[in-house]
Amino acid sequence: TQLLEQSPQFLSIQEGENLTVYCNSSSVFSSLQWYRQEPGEGPVLLVTVVTGGEVKKLKRLTFQFGDARKDSSLHITAAQPGDTGLYLCAGAGRYGGSQGNLIFGKGTKLSVKP
Amino acid sequence: DADVTQTPRNRITKTGKRIMLECSQTKGHDRMYWYRQDPGLGLRLIYYSFDVKDINKGEISDGYSVSRQAQAKFSLSLESAIPNQTALYFCATSERRTVGYEQFFGPGTRLTVL
Repeated sequence: TQLLEQSPQFLSIQEGENLTVYCNSSSVFSSLQWYRQEPGEGPVLLVTVVTGGEVKKLKRLTFQFGDARKDSSLHITAAQPGDTGLYLCAGAGRYGGSQGNLIFGKGTKLSVKP
Repeated sequence: DADVTQTPRNRITKTGKRIMLECSQTKGHDRMYWYRQDPGLGLRLIYYSFDVKDINKGEISDGYSVSRQAQAKFSLSLESAIPNQTALYFCATSERRTVGYEQFFGPGTRLTVL
C-alpha cells in the first residue's frame, strides 16, 4: 500500500517567519502535487512536480521533488496570514497507481498569526 | 462560474434516510471522483469513474453508491445514512491526458447524519 506521510501535522507561526512542510513515502511516485485548502472550501492545486530533483517556485512558495521521487517539501518564505490553511500533498503511483488515482497525505494545518 | 459544483453545500439528515449528493462540471474532463474528508484521516476515495460506462470502487465504498448520468454529472448516494457517514464530501475531476493527474475539486458538501 502506498502511503504519504506529512509533517508536521500542525504549525503555528508568526507573520514573517519561514517554514518547511514535508511529504514522505517509501514508494516511488510518477508525480506529486501540492494543494491548499481553506476552511469550507475544496482543495486547490498549487503545483505539480514530475521530475526527480525538480524545484518549482510560486512567489514565496518553493516546492521540491526528491531525487528518488519518494518525497517532497514545501518551503514558504516570509509567511503571511493569507498563507493560513491546510496543505495537502498527493502522489500518483509510478505506473499511474490505480490508473492515475492520487494518494493523499493527511495534511499540514498552517496558522500564520499577524 | 465555478468549474466543479456540488449540491447541496450543507445537509442535515436522520439515520436511515436516503441521501443524494450531486456533482456537475464544466471542465470537459472525463474522470470524476468522490472523496470524504474527516479530521485526522485526510481525503479518502469512495468511488471513481473514468468515463460514463466505467465506475470503480475506491478505498471506502461500503454504504455508498454512485451514478454517472453524463460525462459532466456524477452523483453519490447514501442508501441508508448512518451517523459515521457524517463528513465533508468532495467531488473532483481530472483529465486523462495530463502528465501529473491533477485533480480539480468542488467546494464540498457538509453532511451531518443525526
